[in-house]
Amino acid sequence: NAGVTQTPKFRILKIGQSMTLQCAQDMNHNYMYWYRQDPGMGLKLIYYSVGAGITDKGEVPNGYNVSRSTTEDFPLRLELAAPSQTSVYFCASSLQASGANVLTFGAGSRLTVL
Amino acid sequence: AQSVSQHNHHVILSEAASLELGCNYSYGGTVNLFWYVQYPGQHLQLLLKYFSGDPLVKGIKGFEAEFIKSKFSFNLRKPSVQWSDTAEYFCAVNLPNRDDKIIFGKGTRLHILP
Repeated sequence: NAGVTQTPKFRILKIGQSMTLQCAQDMNHNYMYWYRQDPGMGLKLIYYSVGAGITDKGEVPNGYNVSRSTTEDFPLRLELAAPSQTSVYFCASSLQASGANVLTFGAGSRLTVL
Repeated sequence: AQSVSQHNHHVILSEAASLELGCNYSYGGTVNLFWYVQYPGQHLQLLLKYFSGDPLVKGIKGFEAEFIKSKFSFNLRKPSVQWSDTAEYFCAVNLPNRDDKIIFGKGTRLHILP
């Protein structure tokens, strides 16, 4: 039981490049979330999903896209990387509603855009 | 939209001192409240949570928090801190009757002097 697995752990991108951050969970959680963490700013919700085929915008969705084709996977895509997207990204999951259960976080992906 | 305010951005204490970290939220309806902790080099983990019932909740490692509905607050306390409590602490709120987002505060960085 690996929990929430994020890849890659580190990545450096050039401005304008695209990439996908992968997130997978093996706990059969139906809710999944993507957050970004910036120093002094806490965690900001980017996108979330309450089940396969359903996604919703969070607080800071611009510049990102997500998909949820399976219960296990919730990839986050950056289409045209910008320096403002330099951050640490955390994927999290929970069973049923996040209010009834707690978030399990991945180890994070540190992205630098130069 | 709901928001979470953590008033202390950086707290420095000596070992055995008492701790109180403030957290206020901005929604008047039913809320679920959380404190998460991020130890250096690790990912976020749940410290404690409030869903209903006794407003004084106890978490791991001797932490507790009190939900005061009239003050929209959920302050975190510990009577006597240890050097190993050095970490960043995040308050979070979820509105179970509204949507499935979990919104985090900006975090409080706690540094305990040995």
